[in-house]
Amino acid sequence: DTGVSQNPRHKITKRGQNVTFRCDPISEHNRLYWYRQTLGQGPEFLTYFQNEAQLEKSRLLSDRFSAERPKGSFSTLEIQRTEQGDSAMYLCASSLVSQLELFFGSGTQLSVL
Amino acid sequence: QKEVEQDPGPLSVPEGAIVSLNCTYSNSAFQYFMWYRQYSRKGPELLMYTYSSGNKEDGRFTAQVDKSSKYISLFIRDSQPSDSATYLCAMSALTGGGNKLTFGTGTQLKVEL
Repeated sequence: DTGVSQNPRHKITKRGQNVTFRCDPISEHNRLYWYRQTLGQGPEFLTYFQNEAQLEKSRLLSDRFSAERPKGSFSTLEIQRTEQGDSAMYLCASSLVSQLELFFGSGTQLSVL
Repeated sequence: QKEVEQDPGPLSVPEGAIVSLNCTYSNSAFQYFMWYRQYSRKGPELLMYTYSSGNKEDGRFTAQVDKSSKYISLFIRDSQPSDSATYLCAMSALTGGGNKLTFGTGTQLKVEL
């Protein structure tokens, strides 16, 4: 499968714990995006990388959230001190710089108890 | 008020019906207009995109954009049960690099036999 891969698919955690998600984009794609989707809503932009540089962050991305793409390949999204309001599907997408289409992974469903 | 408004449905139609899905938006900077389809527990996948005003047809799908009214539509002809999914409109201003998409809430469509 050469699509965008996200792990884990599901994560259940207790409030206050830290969680980390991983995204492996399509191999030649130099742009990588993180979105968050809550039930009954469309995805909301969180941040994006071009190669290893994080070029934009949404106001939605509080100080508890941090994303990295250390070698311009896979990316991680960490949430510290999780809150119940963080429960959502976290979607990763990738594209080429020249490409309009974003290719989405199947997401990581986070449940904070 | 959200930048992109979309009726969440659900919308239920018989097989073979013509389906009309719509979104309105408020940001005049949006230049690219997309329709994504999302099946349950999957990431969104791009169906079609258009640039500025006009129509675009691809098989059973037709996308229309009216920038003067800030209104976009997706028509599905000869709808099939396999079309049952959530349809998300998405828009981009494509300024400053990065294709940051603003999504509608999604319309849940069910095509019944």
